[in-house]
Amino acid sequence: QKEVEQNSGPLSVPEGAIASLNCTYSDRGSQSFFWYRQYSGKSPELIMFIYSNGDKEDGRFTAQLNKASQYVSLLIRDSQPSDSATYLCAVNTPGNTPLVFGKGTRLSVIA
Amino acid sequence: DGGITQSPKYLFRKEGQNVTLSCEQNLNHDAMYWYRQDPGQGLRLIYYSQIVNDFQKGDIAEGYSVSREKKESFPLTVTSAQKNPTAFYLCASSIAGTGGQETQYFGPGTRLLVL
Repeated sequence: QKEVEQNSGPLSVPEGAIASLNCTYSDRGSQSFFWYRQYSGKSPELIMFIYSNGDKEDGRFTAQLNKASQYVSLLIRDSQPSDSATYLCAVNTPGNTPLVFGKGTRLSVIA
Repeated sequence: DGGITQSPKYLFRKEGQNVTLSCEQNLNHDAMYWYRQDPGQGLRLIYYSQIVNDFQKGDIAEGYSVSREKKESFPLTVTSAQKNPTAFYLCASSIAGTGGQETQYFGPGTRLLVL
């Protein structure tokens, strides 16, 4: 059973701080890693994906992947109240299987 | 304007009734997926299809049925056998189901309520 684990939160950070969201996965063969943002009552939207070990930056967002330790994280710099949402981690393992989603971490940015 | 559309936005089901949720995409994606989300919970996979006229059960397929007669359409029927259907239903699609093209994009969702 492939598993993707996230702390459910809520994670509360002050406006302007760095929010750090973490995700661990069980299948060492996983190769693709995705972060989605879901506002309350809305559908998930893709923030970014990462395939290689290390960091990948996109604006205020940085995804970090460490395959040896089987974790992927998302850093949000200069957090804004509009970043308050649930963040879903998703992992893909080769072999014709759909993405496996974590249950999400709820982030609250306090103004 | 490319994307995934789901209809209706809200759907009410009576006891013993089958209802069908629509999902259409014009992204020319081969793979399509249906998820169920309960309040405060993650996404649970119901069915997925990687090619026309073929689909596979996900983790919670009981009480649901699907068809994939056209590439752009993947309707989900919630049958009377699904005893607790109240949830937020999300349709997604990806270029392919594998080979580095698994990035999924979601429709706006349908909220199903039982009367």
